[in-house]
Amino acid sequence: QKEVEQDPGPLSVPEGAIVSLNCTYSNSAFQYFMWYRQYSRKGPELLMYTYSSGNKEDGRFTAQVDKSSKYISLFIRDSQPSDSATYLCAMREPDSNYQLIWGAGTKLIIKP
Amino acid sequence: DVKVTQSSRYLVKRTGEKVFLECVQDMDHENMFWYRQDPGLGLRLIYFSYDVKMKEKGDIPEGYSVSREKKERFSLILESASTNQTSMYLCASKIASTEAFFGQGTRLTVV
Repeated sequence: QKEVEQDPGPLSVPEGAIVSLNCTYSNSAFQYFMWYRQYSRKGPELLMYTYSSGNKEDGRFTAQVDKSSKYISLFIRDSQPSDSATYLCAMREPDSNYQLIWGAGTKLIIKP
Repeated sequence: DVKVTQSSRYLVKRTGEKVFLECVQDMDHENMFWYRQDPGLGLRLIYFSYDVKMKEKGDIPEGYSVSREKKERFSLILESASTNQTSMYLCASKIASTEAFFGQGTRLTVV
């Protein structure tokens, strides 16, 4: 079993829909959680970064961490075709500045 | 903005060739990383470096080596390329208190 599980998709939704992307993990020591967005033929770029449990909002994006369930989510409101990309979750332990553990990425397609 | 630049976007090499992938960052970051990305497997860490001339193996170092002679430059070397090293290679850099910034990737095909 992988340390971080993420459904690879593709997930296809109509423009304007609310999108929910999720990762589950097995290591209860993870404290830092990140979402990266990767457009086709580009490198990943950091989208959201959260520490421990709770919610963090940035414009149309909300990152949610539920440590009791070992489950993180990224919500996208009012989805746009420009949100079409692969979304990767990543996480690490507090003392591990180097070792990020990655999900496989979910390919998201927003249909106009 | 942090800029991480990889020397090539696309490379095609023959089996057995020695291949060099170069990465340069312009933000004086101590830490640099090489990942490979394959469908369904996510990002896998090959090597990382936390200082000049320092290197540590990641999860899949076999068949690869690295060089960091200057702080801004981190090179990945495939000593003898094989077809199973066909992949997307991503370089990243960071300082301890930030998260990683990635280059645009090099898609390597070994034939």
